[in-house]
Amino acid sequence: DQQVKQNSPSLSVQEGRISILNCDYTNSMFDYFLWYKKYPAEGPTFLISISSIKDKNEDGRFTVFLNKSAKHLSLHIVPSQPGDSAVYFCAASDTSYDKVIFGPGTSLSVIP
Amino acid sequence: DTEVTQTPKHLVMGMTNKKSLKCEQHMGHRAMYWYKQKAKKPPELMFVYSYEKLSINESVPSRFSPECPNSSLLNLHLHALQPEDSALYLCASSGKNRTFYEQYFGPGTRLTVT
Repeated sequence: DQQVKQNSPSLSVQEGRISILNCDYTNSMFDYFLWYKKYPAEGPTFLISISSIKDKNEDGRFTVFLNKSAKHLSLHIVPSQPGDSAVYFCAASDTSYDKVIFGPGTSLSVIP
Repeated sequence: DTEVTQTPKHLVMGMTNKKSLKCEQHMGHRAMYWYKQKAKKPPELMFVYSYEKLSINESVPSRFSPECPNSSLLNLHLHALQPEDSALYLCASSGKNRTFYEQYFGPGTRLTVT
């Protein structure tokens, strides 16, 4: 049973436009959410996070939005750049446990 | 220093071999993790060490044996593996409080079992 879902396996966006990556979760105990980016042959790199007490967190070109009632979060990248092409993993945690659950990932291609 | 290092980068081993994967971090993080990742799949948690003690074992077969000799080092001892154990093995570490879940990953060890 997948607790963290990313229903789009892939996404293509033109350079300079907005990329929107979506994530849904099922466990209402999750209270901390993260996005990781992964290039081939490298480990995932932490990108941005959000606590369940917030609905938005922004860091430069990256913004994460959280809708707790819908159990949905999204990552917006504006403007998208070719170097953003990677696999993006959504992850979630119930902070009473020492673990993070990853979604299956979305492969983003930013076309020059 | 925000780096997690892993050795070796690549490992090919037979089903009767014994080998070890090594992971090191010098960020003072109190938690360290082993993950297994298959192609086109998310990282799958195997073990968590917190303050050098094993806190989570995700029902991993005993042919995988973790060890945390000190707060900076994490090993994964491998014995009698199966071809289906071939995967990318990732180590990660994380700090305290609100940054706890912001894990720093190493580049991984690509393991092939023949």
